[in-house]
Amino acid sequence: GQQVMQIPQYQHVQEGEDFTTYCNSSTTLSNIQWYKQRPGGHPVFLIQLVKSGEVKKQKRLTFQFGEAKKNSSLHITATQTTDVGTYFCAANQAGTALIFGKGTTLSVSS
Amino acid sequence: DTAVSQTPKYLVTQMGNDKSIKCEQNLGHDTMYWYKQDSKKFLKIMFSYNNKELIINETVPNRFSPKSPDKAHLNLHINSLELGDSAVYFCASNDPQGPLHFGNGTRLTVT
Repeated sequence: GQQVMQIPQYQHVQEGEDFTTYCNSSTTLSNIQWYKQRPGGHPVFLIQLVKSGEVKKQKRLTFQFGEAKKNSSLHITATQTTDVGTYFCAANQAGTALIFGKGTTLSVSS
Repeated sequence: DTAVSQTPKYLVTQMGNDKSIKCEQNLGHDTMYWYKQDSKKFLKIMFSYNNKELIINETVPNRFSPKSPDKAHLNLHINSLELGDSAVYFCASNDPQGPLHFGNGTRLTVT
């Protein structure tokens, strides 16, 4: 079945450093979604990318969808302690449920 | 005005028992899901219902039985609980191809 590979599994940064998580699929994706799960919380939707090569920004977060629609990235500029959590990419092909990557857990030290 | 609510939040029980988790959404979505999140935070789809009909049934033991009395509710019943069932179970709902709205999760601990 479809798999979505996400790296790295863990990332520790100093506050103010940048952070990037990557998501890859062997098959073309119809869209990709990104979620954030705070410690002890539930996944919360951040954004959806649909178009080839799409780039979207939310304040310090930049999301990209690859030209071939097989990969995506989430980049956080100048991390803050509030960015702590696990970031998931999720994707589906037509007619299937969202399949989640294994997530990247970000820790930030001040 | 909680969008997706599930109960209970915590569930501690012994091996061999039967337990249920309830989920309700007031977003008007036709599709509801159960996801299991293990200790490594991996989120795995278990079931998907669309307007009360089972759409997706991943490789889940028969001990797990979802029930959807109406499109706003999706309950999960688990028979003969095992240690390996310990996890956080999330209910979610969405519109077709839309973002998932998750409940707060039910942390199940089997002793």
